[in-house]
Amino acid sequence: DAGVTQSPTHLIKTRGQQVTLRCSPKSGHDTVSWYQQALGQGPQFIFQYYEEEERQRGNFPDRFSGHQFPNYSSELNVNALLLGDSALYLCASSSTGLLTDTQYFGPGTRLTVL
Amino acid sequence: GQQLNQSPQSMFIQEGEDVSMNCTSSSIFNTWLWYKQDPGEGPVLLIALYKAGELTSNGRLTAQFGITRKDSFLNISASIPSDVGIYFCAGQGYTGNQFYFGTGTSLTVIP
Repeated sequence: DAGVTQSPTHLIKTRGQQVTLRCSPKSGHDTVSWYQQALGQGPQFIFQYYEEEERQRGNFPDRFSGHQFPNYSSELNVNALLLGDSALYLCASSSTGLLTDTQYFGPGTRLTVL
Repeated sequence: GQQLNQSPQSMFIQEGEDVSMNCTSSSIFNTWLWYKQDPGEGPVLLIALYKAGELTSNGRLTAQFGITRKDSFLNISASIPSDVGIYFCAGQGYTGNQFYFGTGTSLTVIP
């Protein structure tokens, strides 16, 4: 049973550039959530995708956008990168429709902005 | 966004000792999750709780969903070196699908 996978593992960008991160959910899951985790902090919710639409969004600027594909995989895009965007980006998958909601995380993508 | 208060912030214990940590919220939650995270990796789910008062175990780990629905507790019995890591609680409210995370408890086990 494949778990949540993310790519790439690490990424180095410079300020002003754009980046795309990818996530494949756990088998059987249809919902993908993205989180940003700064060093020494807990994960902060960016947004959640279900049925190829953004269902809920956290307190992040419009520079952060996403997409979900028919196979439930998802992308996170960040435009006009800032130094403060350096963080571990985590993808979590779950299954909407179950009475109980449980999220499983991928290994994350470490983004460094120089 | 909402931040859960997790305590203690860090713990240094001898191997074999028991560990207790807790998480509190100003809002009522309908789901509590506990995760362990190793450096540079994604959080790994340890225990999920869905009902107030629920007590659930996973090996040496036991977690409880507080009766007030505003808190949760995690206990680790007979700690071993591989228990080292950062433990996070996460809660989900009745409105929306977002999970809010605690600030984390860093656990160090001294052999």
